Amino acid sequence: DAGVIQSPRHEVTEMGQEVTLRCKPISGHNSLFWYRQTMMRGLELLIYFNNNVPIDDSGMPEDRFSAKMPNASFSTLKIQPSEPRDSAVYFCASSFEPLGDYNEQFFGPGTRLTVL
Amino acid sequence: AQSVTQLGSHVSVSEGALVLLRCNYSSSVPPYLFWYVQYPNQGLQLLLKYTSAATLVKGINGFEAEFKKSETSFHLTKPSAHMSDAAEYFCAVSGRGANSKLTFGKGITLSVRP
Repeated sequence: DAGVIQSPRHEVTEMGQEVTLRCKPISGHNSLFWYRQTMMRGLELLIYFNNNVPIDDSGMPEDRFSAKMPNASFSTLKIQPSEPRDSAVYFCASSFEPLGDYNEQFFGPGTRLTVL
Repeated sequence: AQSVTQLGSHVSVSEGALVLLRCNYSSSVPPYLFWYVQYPNQGLQLLLKYTSAATLVKGINGFEAEFKKSETSFHLTKPSAHMSDAAEYFCAVSGRGANSKLTFGKGITLSVRP
């Protein structure tokens, strides 16, 4: 069974450019999470979706960041315009969340973003 | 609100020595607790989880952790370190039920000396 798939694995872009990161969650999972990992701030939750609906986007840094989940098998995280301080590894994770039970998250391999 | 504290950022042990990685949590509700491992250039992988069954939890690769409510701790241990254990380890806490979020600690880098 395939795990969480992220693309691209590496992205190098110039400041001001639009960046789109993609994620395909594990089939059957109903929750999807976007995280950002940096040396300074560690692992931060940006946004998460449940049944394709954004539940909590309080971690999204600013309006330059947006995320969508048009269907159960695909999500995007977009940064427009990108800035050097956005350089980080971005992880997507998915889980199945039945009511009242724990939520083990499965992580993708990450996208390493470098903004020059 | 929930949080975890992982003291120190780096632990170094000799191969064959005991591994002890500390994690203390804060939670206003009975928590779920997790340890994840991240190998270089990879995503996070679940090592073990506590979900209110046995307080001593066994995970993969010989790791285990004990939930101690009185100490609000969930320390990770392994009796004998192997070179392949070198990685970054994250403790995480979650509430229960729908829409609970995982909150991660800062992570601890484990080095294993030959």
